[in-house]
Amino acid sequence: DAKTTQPPSMDCAEGRAANLPCNHSTISGNEYVYWYRQIHSQGPQYIIHGLKNNETNEMASLIITEDRKSSTLILPHATLRDTAVYYCIVRSPFRYGGSQGNLIFGKGTKLSVKP
Amino acid sequence: ETGVTQSPTHLIKTRGQQVTLRCSSQSGHNTVSWYQQALGQGPQFIFQYYREEENGRGNFPPRFSGLQFPNYSSELNVNALELDDSALYLCASSELLGTGELFFGEGSRLTVL
Repeated sequence: DAKTTQPPSMDCAEGRAANLPCNHSTISGNEYVYWYRQIHSQGPQYIIHGLKNNETNEMASLIITEDRKSSTLILPHATLRDTAVYYCIVRSPFRYGGSQGNLIFGKGTKLSVKP
Repeated sequence: ETGVTQSPTHLIKTRGQQVTLRCSSQSGHNTVSWYQQALGQGPQFIFQYYREEENGRGNFPPRFSGLQFPNYSSELNVNALELDDSALYLCASSELLGTGELFFGEGSRLTVL
């Protein structure tokens, strides 16, 4: 799986958009970008994933650059409940055997949403 | 649709003891993975079960073992507990040929004294 690089921490004002960057310069053609977040002392929560087109769901938007070497997770109107550690993970979903469940978590970005 | 549930939520053991943690997977999911998360670190993959067999393992010793049952629920067993086994243990379920999302439970926090 390709390695990812994220800033260790970010702050965001409540109600503003939170833009969380991720670099994945060694991503290969069949690898997707996944985002998870982990609120303190809870299990990680899946947010969104994408291959090369921008994606949007009820939680967030994912913007992937044309060369796919970086991406940005956007929380359009951050709330205090969005304070969490956000993990960017690159992997292929079409895997067999034991690698299907093996996500490699880095240290992520600790997002603090402030009033 | 029920999510992933884990039990117990918290437990305390002493060195050398054995522990069993339990996980019920999300409805329709046939694959269960277990993770260990030490304080301040990201989760680390322990192993995965599919069709009642372990089919992938991270860098954990054999005293970490598991089971998966016909209803896809799972257990994680840890023998000869060490102080460093103190962590949050997370279970995640998924579809083997799905689109790669894992759905995690809230975890079991184990403290080894």
